[in-house]
Parts: sequence; structure tokens; C-alpha cells
Amino acid sequence: EPEVTQTPSHQVTQMGQEVILRCVPISNHLYFYWYRQILGQKVEFLVSFYNNEISEKSEIFDDQFSVERPDGSNFTLKIRSTKLEDSAMYFCASRRGRLAITDTQYFGPGTRLTVL
Amino acid sequence: GESVGLHLPTLSVQEGDNSIINCAYSNSASDYFIWYKQESGKGPQFIIDIRSNMDKRQGQRVTVLLNKTVKHLSLQIAATQPGDSAVYFCAENPPGGYNKLIFGAGTRLAVHP
Repeated sequence: EPEVTQTPSHQVTQMGQEVILRCVPISNHLYFYWYRQILGQKVEFLVSFYNNEISEKSEIFDDQFSVERPDGSNFTLKIRSTKLEDSAMYFCASRRGRLAITDTQYFGPGTRLTVL
Repeated sequence: GESVGLHLPTLSVQEGDNSIINCAYSNSASDYFIWYKQESGKGPQFIIDIRSNMDKRQGQRVTVLLNKTVKHLSLQIAATQPGDSAVYFCAENPPGGYNKLIFGAGTRLAVHP
């Protein structure tokens, strides 16, 4: 069964450094998402991406964040200058994009980002 | 990788019993709801969904009930098994496009043999 994959599984970085989290969505999906989950908290929406542009973003997704689909398979989240509070699990998700409202988002296993 | 916290509400059940997990959602105009299961170190896994024009939907061993009057969702798991132990999240799709999901706080289900 097709699944969303993410790399790395764990990323440790120093405060102020740039990180890039990578995702490979399910191949025939058209909508892509990033979510994060701070330890002990609920999953929070960051950004959605469709047709090579951001379709929606949350307040968390400030100028330090960017997303890109550099080729036909990868979807990346970049944090330019990491802060301690960016430490979290980051989940990528994708969905097919059919017209039906019940078009489920499928999640990857996540990348644990630790900012020291 | 830990994805659950120390202060999640916990439902403890005996193996073989039925489990009911509840969730209150926030937006009365949300039109699509999903239950996800999250095991330790893994991403949310789809379990079952329901549209706002329905009040009940059944899957294999799982049933979702939707009460729009009080903005309440429940997930019923029949004959709970040890493999059902996880954190369960409800998520809603607010109006304005089929984009972001808004997640609830989560409930930890602990199944005891």
C-alpha cells in the first residue's frame, strides 16, 4: 500500500541553524501538508500546498518557514533559523485531491526535530 | 519518538471490552470529520471518517457517531484488542476549502489483557 515517507526520522540542530525536512507524498496525490506536534500537545496545521503554491498557512508558519516541491516527488519544509521552540515532531501529509469531500489526508511517520 | 504527553486523558479497558472515545469539535460549520490513531513514534493513521450529513458510520470493528447539536464525535471500538492501544485524535475539516485539519487534544487508550 502506498505511503508517505519522511526523512530524516530525527534531526538535531543548533539554534539559529537552517534545517530542511523532506517528504515524499503518495505518488498520485495533489495536495500536500505540513503539521507539527510539540511534545504533549495536539497536532497543529502549518501549511497546505497545491499546484506549486501555498494554499493556506497558519500563524505558526511565519517568514522563517518555507515549503518547496523541487521535483515531481519531494516536498520539503525549510526552517531558516531554528529556535528552541521549533523542537517538535513534524508530519507531512498528502491527499488525492478528488472532488469528493471525504478525501482523506494520509500522514507520514514524522521527523523529530530537536533544537539545542 | 514520543508523540503523546503526560496529561492526556486515558481510557483503560480490558481486552475484549468495547471502548468509547469522545471528542468535542470546535466549529459548528465543519463538514467532515476523521478519527486518527497514533502509536508511539508514528504518524497519525486514518481509522474512519464521516460527513456532516450523516450521524453514524460503521467500519470494521469501529463506529463513529456524530452529534452536530452539541458538536460531539465519538469512536466506538468493538472487542478491543491490545493492538488498539494508542492515542486517538479526532480531526475536523472547517469550511472554506478542503485543506487544513484541526485536531482535538487526543485520548490515550490502554488495553489490558
